[in-house]
Amino acid sequence: GENVEQHPSTLSVQEGDSAVIKCTYSDSASNYFPWYKQELGKGPQLIIDIRSNVGEKKDQRIAVTLNKTAKHFSLHITETQPEDSAVYFCAAMDTGRRALTFGSGTRLQVQP
Amino acid sequence: KAGVTQTPRYLIKTRGQQVTLSCSPISGHRSVSWYQQTPGQGLQFLFEYFSETQRNKGNFPGRFSGRQFSNSRSEMNVSTLELGDSALYLCASSLFLAGESEAFFGQGTRLTVV
Repeated sequence: GENVEQHPSTLSVQEGDSAVIKCTYSDSASNYFPWYKQELGKGPQLIIDIRSNVGEKKDQRIAVTLNKTAKHFSLHITETQPEDSAVYFCAAMDTGRRALTFGSGTRLQVQP
Repeated sequence: KAGVTQTPRYLIKTRGQQVTLSCSPISGHRSVSWYQQTPGQGLQFLFEYFSETQRNKGNFPGRFSGRQFSNSRSEMNVSTLELGDSALYLCASSLFLAGESEAFFGQGTRLTVV
């Protein structure tokens, strides 16, 4: 089955700096890659996603890049703010099997 | 519009008992997926229901089961509870099959087995 590895497990940045979280996946059939933000006591919230026919996608301060050859994808957050502090999860899905496989999560702390 | 609603938010059960958790998806959404979240194993897929049919199942024992009703509301049941079943159980609803449209998660039900 699919295996998703996520790094780093914790990340501390100063407000205004950029943050990068990286994930690798094992199943070449995976073709949908969402990123979720989970705040304490809440369920994961989709912040951006990318499909395998696209190499990069941006939404304001957030961007995701995908390298299908190397089987890795990354989340980039620019101009970080304290409210960006949360746990971020990457995931991969083979839309034929339709089961999301999640990474282990990255705890992001943005220091004011 | 209202989000995904999971009830109850918290549950404490004793080993050997059974439990039923409920998920009401966003109005119009037809797919409901269930996930288990634990500190040790992270987020793991349990199953997906679409139009009252189980479409996919993760690697969990048969003690974990679910169903979906005609109004798309879903329930999951865990029988013969074990201490290791303590977790946050999350459901996610999608307009179409999972992966074909955005999945919206509920706040989860935190189950503690003592």
